[in-house]
Order: sequence, then structure tokens, then C-alpha cells
Amino acid sequence: DGGITQSPKYLFRKEGQNVTLSCEQNLNHDAMYWYRQDPGQGLRLIYYSQIVNDFQKGDIAEGYSVSREKKESFPLTVTSAQKNPTAFYLCASRNSGGSPYEQYFGPGTRLTVT
Amino acid sequence: QQQVKQSPQSLIVQKGGISIINCAYENTAFDYFPWYQQFPGKGPALLIAIRPDVSEKKEGRFTISFNKSAKQFSLHIMDSQPGDSATYFCAASLSVRFGAGTRLTVKP
Repeated sequence: DGGITQSPKYLFRKEGQNVTLSCEQNLNHDAMYWYRQDPGQGLRLIYYSQIVNDFQKGDIAEGYSVSREKKESFPLTVTSAQKNPTAFYLCASRNSGGSPYEQYFGPGTRLTVT
Repeated sequence: QQQVKQSPQSLIVQKGGISIINCAYENTAFDYFPWYQQFPGKGPALLIAIRPDVSEKKEGRFTISFNKSAKQFSLHIMDSQPGDSATYFCAASLSVRFGAGTRLTVKP
């Protein structure tokens, strides 16, 4: 089955700890994205990567970091500098050379920081 | 930074009725306008999309109407069903900018 996997589905952390969310895709897509979803605010772009070893900040990158060492993987680290990390995190991928520009989303990780 | 504005925030429709969700965008360089459907606890999935060179696209009960001069587009769900109850997001261009979402409830 082709698709995007995110793990774990639920994640709990204490305040002050860094935490890394996993995102893997086997769709052979070039571009990958991380979004944060909060009630009533839709999806906000955190980081995106168009190609391996390159990534750009989105609208709300502060307190987050990413890496793109492999085409299939785009992990997101939520650092202790992120003031309000509790949210639903969604990873997506897209074939940047293809048409249409459909994004495929993973099932999400719900992070709770107390 | 909100380049895509979506309304209403929530919508309640009776079964069999028409659901209408609206979006407005600012950047005239946007060239692709998708709608995504999201069920609770799941990731969004593409529902239907349109390019600005057409004014309407229909797929089954779902229709996108596009008004380029007004920089607006809307989703119409005909014969709405309880199974359509979900959150709907519009997006613009390469889907990196989403609307805030509309929570649709279809009452039986």
C-alpha cells in the first residue's frame, strides 16, 4: 500500500522536553510538508521541503526544526522553545513535478504537552 | 498571514439540502484551488479541485464554482447526506495555504 505514515498517533510529553514526530512516505514524492492544526484555525504551515537536504520555513516555524536526509522521511522536532506545542500535527507529500498539485496527508499525530 | 479566507465557520444542513461553503483569496498568482474533506482524527483528503481557466467543475454531488474577477470560489454539496458531515478546507495554489475550515453537520 502506498501512502504516508505518521507515528505515533498520540504522543504525550512533559513541558521542556524536545519531541520528534515521524513522517514517512512511499509515494516517491519530492515535496513534503508539516502542518499544525488547532481548532478554528485550519492548517498552518510549519516547514516544507521540495527536495532532499533542503527545506524552507512556513508561517509558524519558530520552535520547530526539521531534517530531510532521505526522500522518504521528513521528521519534525518540536523543541522546548515552542510556547504552545499541544496540537494535531499533519504531514503531507506531493509530487512536485506532477499535475495536479494534490497533496496526500498522513493520519496525523496528536501531541499533548503538560 | 491569511491568504485564503473561508466562511462560514460552521454549517448545519438538513439531509437532502444544499451545503455551500465560500472562500476568497488574495494572491492572483494562485493557479490551483482544491477542496479537502477531513473526518475527525484523520488527515484531510482531496475532494475536488479547479483551475482558474474554468468557472465550474462538477464531480457527482460536489461542484466548485469559481469567480476569477472576484477572487472567490465556492463548494456546493447537493443532496447533502449525514455521511458528508466533516470539516471542509479550501486551499490555494500549491495547497500550502489553507482556509480556516468549515465544520459541516448534516442532520438526518
